[in-house]
Amino acid sequence: KQEVTQIPAALSVPEGENLVLNCSFTDSAIYNLQWFRQDPGKGLTSLLLIQSSQREQTSGRLNASLDKSSGRSTLYIAASQPGDSATYLCAVSNDYKLSFGAGTTVTVRA
Amino acid sequence: ETGVTQTPRHLVMGMTNKKSLKCEQHLGHNAMYWYKQSAKKPLELMFVYSLEERVENNSVPSRFSPECPNSSHLFLHLHTLQPEDSALYLCASSQDTNPHNEQFFGPGTRLTVL
Repeated sequence: KQEVTQIPAALSVPEGENLVLNCSFTDSAIYNLQWFRQDPGKGLTSLLLIQSSQREQTSGRLNASLDKSSGRSTLYIAASQPGDSATYLCAVSNDYKLSFGAGTTVTVRA
Repeated sequence: ETGVTQTPRHLVMGMTNKKSLKCEQHLGHNAMYWYKQSAKKPLELMFVYSLEERVENNSVPSRFSPECPNSSHLFLHLHTLQPEDSALYLCASSQDTNPHNEQFFGPGTRLTVL
């Protein structure tokens, strides 16, 4: 059974600092990995999708890397802003099922 | 807002009530999913439908009954729920069940069972 772990569980940084969020998974036979953002009480917004054959994806201030063999992904958010405050979830795909981590809750202080 | 909508957004029900959650996707997708997000727990997959056929029932109690009348609509019928069923219920869709496909999520229904 796939286990997904996100460290740290919570993170508080001053505005402007770069954010580094970690995700690890136990079964490396994945098809893709997705990073999502979730605001309190809301649904999931997809941020980045990395296929298993890719090493990284970038969108604006966001960059996600994937090391499938070691079962790790890292989400980098450059020059954080208060609007980046949210919970960030990673999910890995084994067949059509997504397995989620518990998330990292980020607070960016103005 | 994404191309996946859910109604209602909030629902409070007693343990003897019967209610339904509705999900609609406007993306032309053929696969739809129900997930449950309980407090302090990761999202859990409940059901998967592909072309209106159920392909996954992830050991979900029978008090949750899904229905997929067409590829754009997905329902979750609820009856005799327990307080521990209180959670955020999220619907998602994807082009099909190809594991490389991205899943798109709706805003969720916040369910409280009294």
